[in-house]
Amino acid sequence: DAGITQSPRHKVTETGTPVTLRCHQTENHRYMYWYRQDPGHGLRLIHYSYGVKDTDKGEVSDGYSVSRSKTEDFLLTLESATSSQTSVYFCAIRGDREAFFGQGTRLTVV
Amino acid sequence: QQQVKQSPQSLIVQKGGISIINCAYENTAFDYFPWYQQFPGKGPALLIAIRPDVSEKKEGRFTISFNKSAKQFSLHIMDSQPGDSATYFCAASGGFARQLTFGSGTQLTVLP
Repeated sequence: DAGITQSPRHKVTETGTPVTLRCHQTENHRYMYWYRQDPGHGLRLIHYSYGVKDTDKGEVSDGYSVSRSKTEDFLLTLESATSSQTSVYFCAIRGDREAFFGQGTRLTVV
Repeated sequence: QQQVKQSPQSLIVQKGGISIINCAYENTAFDYFPWYQQFPGKGPALLIAIRPDVSEKKEGRFTISFNKSAKQFSLHIMDSQPGDSATYFCAASGGFARQLTFGSGTQLTVLP
């Protein structure tokens, strides 16, 4: 899977609790992305990073924050989880050419 | 605002038939158009991609047709097989961070 690992793979959390998802890469790629996948919407970009400490918002960034303190790690945080954030989250990495996706994290907010 | 529109939402094809999925985009700054294939429980995987300086690209049974003036592109799967049953996403990218904008996906079922 192109040296990209997401953790956890599954998580159930309660409304109002903070949640952090981790994306780890071993490819030393510059660009990293967080997407969410929902039926009928395809994959929508939440945040992306173009280097250590360099991040920017995507299409659906409200309620999410990210951090990238090392090239290999990109963290997605839900400060106070809501039921609308129940989704499958994918991390992607990109070097000079194609983007590679992780296996996804299925998050359920109850 | 959906910048990449994909159709149909679902498609059922007989084994050996041709599967055709269409996409249209709005942003003329897009300069890379990939198709991704996704199986249940897996992340999307790149299937084939095209740049706007060519009108067609073929890799095995998979062909992308690209119409720059109409801002449309399509995926053709020839001799469709049951193993091709998956969800297919078109996408487009541009800009300095090369982020991908996805279509809403097509669930393809190939009947044996």
